[in-house]
Amino acid sequence: KAGVTQTPRYLIKTRGQQVTLSCSPISGHRSVSWYQQTPGQGLQFLFEYFSETQRNKGNFPGRFSGRQFSNSRSEMNVSTLELGDSALYLCASSPRQGRTYEQYFGPGTRLTVT
Amino acid sequence: AQKVTQAQTEISVVEKEDVTLDCVYETRDTTYYLFWYKQPPSGELVFLIRRNSFDEQNEISGRYSWNFQKSTSSFNFTITASQVVDSAVYFCALSEGETSGSRLTFGEGTQLTVNP
Repeated sequence: KAGVTQTPRYLIKTRGQQVTLSCSPISGHRSVSWYQQTPGQGLQFLFEYFSETQRNKGNFPGRFSGRQFSNSRSEMNVSTLELGDSALYLCASSPRQGRTYEQYFGPGTRLTVT
Repeated sequence: AQKVTQAQTEISVVEKEDVTLDCVYETRDTTYYLFWYKQPPSGELVFLIRRNSFDEQNEISGRYSWNFQKSTSSFNFTITASQVVDSAVYFCALSEGETSGSRLTFGEGTQLTVNP
């Protein structure tokens, strides 16, 4: 089975712009979660989608949003980019929602905001 | 509030040494799950183990072993006879609460460097 794929792998944007990141889960997985990783804050949960509905949300401003499509693929969007949004954004998938399932992570999208 | 602490920021060992990575957690839930992930330089988090709060049996998988002690809220990870390929950042994570879904709370990570 193919693993979790994320596109693009690297991205450079300017402050004030917006960006969309894409995640394709493992085939058959219906839950997708997003995490932000920075040197200062570590790994932080952004949100989780299951069956096209946001099920959980972390403590991030409204500039961060996401969605999930009927094929379980997910996108996250960050509007009005700030320098502090520079980070590695990781997507994880699991068969279903819930803590009993292992999450499998993609390689991440490295976003640099200048 | 849930919290995971990995007090060791960096560990450096010589190949074939045994090394233990510490993880201490805080939770008010009686049912929770603990995880270890490995992050090599490529960036992808690799799942290593999941343990639920009712299963305190230690686990061994090849050179890896895990020691779960509820009495001290610890879930430590030992690599026996370390190898250069073990060099990576290791994260301990906690998942709790029925309503938290798949949400993971990660520790700060421990950078392990295994020198030849």
